Amino acid sequence: GAGVSQSPSNKVTEKGKDVELRCDPISGHTALYWYRQSLGQGLEFLIYFQGNSAPDKSGLPSDRFSAERTGGSVSTLTIQRTQQEDSAVYLCASSLEHRGPYRNEQYFGPGTRLTVT
Amino acid sequence: QKEVEQNSGPLSVPEGAIASLNCTYSDRGSQSFFWYRQYSGKSPELIMSIYSNGDKEDGRFTAQLNKASQYVSLLIRDSQPSDSATYLCAVNVANTGNQFYFGTGTSLTVIP
Repeated sequence: GAGVSQSPSNKVTEKGKDVELRCDPISGHTALYWYRQSLGQGLEFLIYFQGNSAPDKSGLPSDRFSAERTGGSVSTLTIQRTQQEDSAVYLCASSLEHRGPYRNEQYFGPGTRLTVT
Repeated sequence: QKEVEQNSGPLSVPEGAIASLNCTYSDRGSQSFFWYRQYSGKSPELIMSIYSNGDKEDGRFTAQLNKASQYVSLLIRDSQPSDSATYLCAVNVANTGNQFYFGTGTSLTVIP
């Protein structure tokens, strides 16, 4: 079946502009995660959704970052007033459930490479 | 102290050898453990998950979990050049809102 999809695959924006990144999870997956990966670095957790609610926003690096999920499916990550340090690959993952073992295997999308000039 | 620690490598093994990748974690509340493979410029790909102490085998891959020692490892038998990638260890911690923590990854190179 179809995997996690993300758009755009690449985004170049000027410092100070707002950007929206989109994630379409695997059909039926109730949990959705956003991560950020800077060049040569590990994954940085940003936020996760269980259904449409986001119980844990602790990873969002500043109030310029926000995310929403509607209809328990597609999610958008919005970065306002982008800064050069926001340049990274933004990865989305989904899983069947967030709680409990055996069902929380995460599957990643291809990512969005964001470059802020 | 990081939640998940991995040796960053690089780890080099000859083709056909066994590659051993190690990961330690700090939170005893961790429930689920995962290994991901990430090729350069690509997103992580799930290759193994393990939830109970002991070994779990899948083809050339074996995951080993020791909760008492807070240690999880991945063995790759008969290593192939196509196994050359960065391997990420991930841990699901149940008592912190089900947070997932990823290690920074170990770079593996299989030499033909």
